[in-house]
Amino acid sequence: NAGVTQTPKFQVLKTGQSMTLQCAQDMNHEYMSWYRQDPGMGLRLIHYSVGAGITDQGEVPNGYNVSRSTTEDFPLRLLSAAPSQTSVYFCASSYSPGDTQYFGPGTRLTVL
Amino acid sequence: AQKITQTQPGMFVQEKEAVTLDCTYDTSDPSYGLFWYKQPSSGEMIFLIYQGSYDQQNATEGRYSLNFQKARKSANLVISASQLGDSAMYFCAMRGNQAGTALIFGKGTTLSVSS
Repeated sequence: NAGVTQTPKFQVLKTGQSMTLQCAQDMNHEYMSWYRQDPGMGLRLIHYSVGAGITDQGEVPNGYNVSRSTTEDFPLRLLSAAPSQTSVYFCASSYSPGDTQYFGPGTRLTVL
Repeated sequence: AQKITQTQPGMFVQEKEAVTLDCTYDTSDPSYGLFWYKQPSSGEMIFLIYQGSYDQQNATEGRYSLNFQKARKSANLVISASQLGDSAMYFCAMRGNQAGTALIFGKGTTLSVSS
């Protein structure tokens, strides 16, 4: 099992550009989520999904969209990148809500 | 509102010594879960240990144990016999009762182990 995979590992964007961060898991987990990690802030929830076709907002959803068309994939879209979105982004999954969440390796995003 | 507090920004310990990383939490939900994750300098988040609010015994996983004091709302991580590879950031997290029970994280404690 590859576990939770994320691509790309690093990305530099210019303000106003859009892009999609990819997340996939091969553990047949129903629950997937996206967090961002900023210095001194811990991890904060952006969006989450409790199953294919079901998504909802977390603590800091503005500027991001998600969709969940399959159990395996949960992409995060930045609509119009801003310097405030410079962060490390983690995708996580678990078998069900409340179970231990397993994290991908992260994507380090810089917006200039 | 639910909250996790880690009051130690940095801790220093020598190899082979034990170290305790503090974590206090706040919740009004009677059912909750507490987690510890390790983040080495390479950046990945590694799950270490879990404690459920109804668990009668403190959780243990190898050299990691969780000192769970429910009345005091604390869930301290104890690492026995520290190793150089334990140097990392450690996060305490709580399973929330909202947002699909996503995790609420503390701000982390940096542990430095010296020889």
